[in-house]
Amino acid sequence: DIQMTQSPSSLSASVGDRVTITCRASQGIRNDLGWYQQKPEKAPKLLIYAASSLQSGVPSRFSGSGSGTEFTLTISSLLPEDFATYYCLQYNSYPWTFGQGTTVEIK
Amino acid sequence: QVQLVQSGSEVKEPGASVKVSCKASGYTFTNYGISWVRQAPGQGLEWMGWVSTYSGNTYYAQNLQGRVTMTTDTSTSTAYMELRSLRSDDTAVYYCARRVPSDYWGQGTLVTVSS
Repeated sequence: DIQMTQSPSSLSASVGDRVTITCRASQGIRNDLGWYQQKPEKAPKLLIYAASSLQSGVPSRFSGSGSGTEFTLTISSLLPEDFATYYCLQYNSYPWTFGQGTTVEIK
Repeated sequence: QVQLVQSGSEVKEPGASVKVSCKASGYTFTNYGISWVRQAPGQGLEWMGWVSTYSGNTYYAQNLQGRVTMTTDTSTSTAYMELRSLRSDDTAVYYCARRVPSDYWGQGTLVTVSS
């Protein structure tokens, strides 16, 4: 199985900060990676697919990059509604696997 | 608009089975597969498996093999996930989701396993 190691597990940031979250795959997954945002008691929301493609309707302050084994999600300037938990998901091979999640908290 | 509407919460005793439904609308059901993902209280997301709505082919997470069955009914655009021999650590919110990677999700179904 492909392991997805996400870091950090949590971070504190202020409105307006630039935030970067990283996912590392235990083996190459090309660009078969998505990023999700989840708020409490809500279903996850797809932000990025194919490592760097912005899902329709998602603000442009979210961006993704990477290929192979190393990937990043960047929020260019945090807004209050961005405080949430973020997960990466590899869908290159079965079983698909999620990262452990990164909780973005208000500093 | 695309919607996935799941069945309601369930409370089950250990050893029992549960079957969660996920009714799709707003798109051609057989165009996209359905994934199932669960989330235990306070924990992260766990991918459970995927079913092709076109062929019925399935892929399951290794740790659920033998206990889980995912099916679809194309006549009603509904996907089903059945989990058997329930244990307390199966207590979770269960989600269905469309496509790869999943762009639309159901609202979640809380399954509580308790004696």
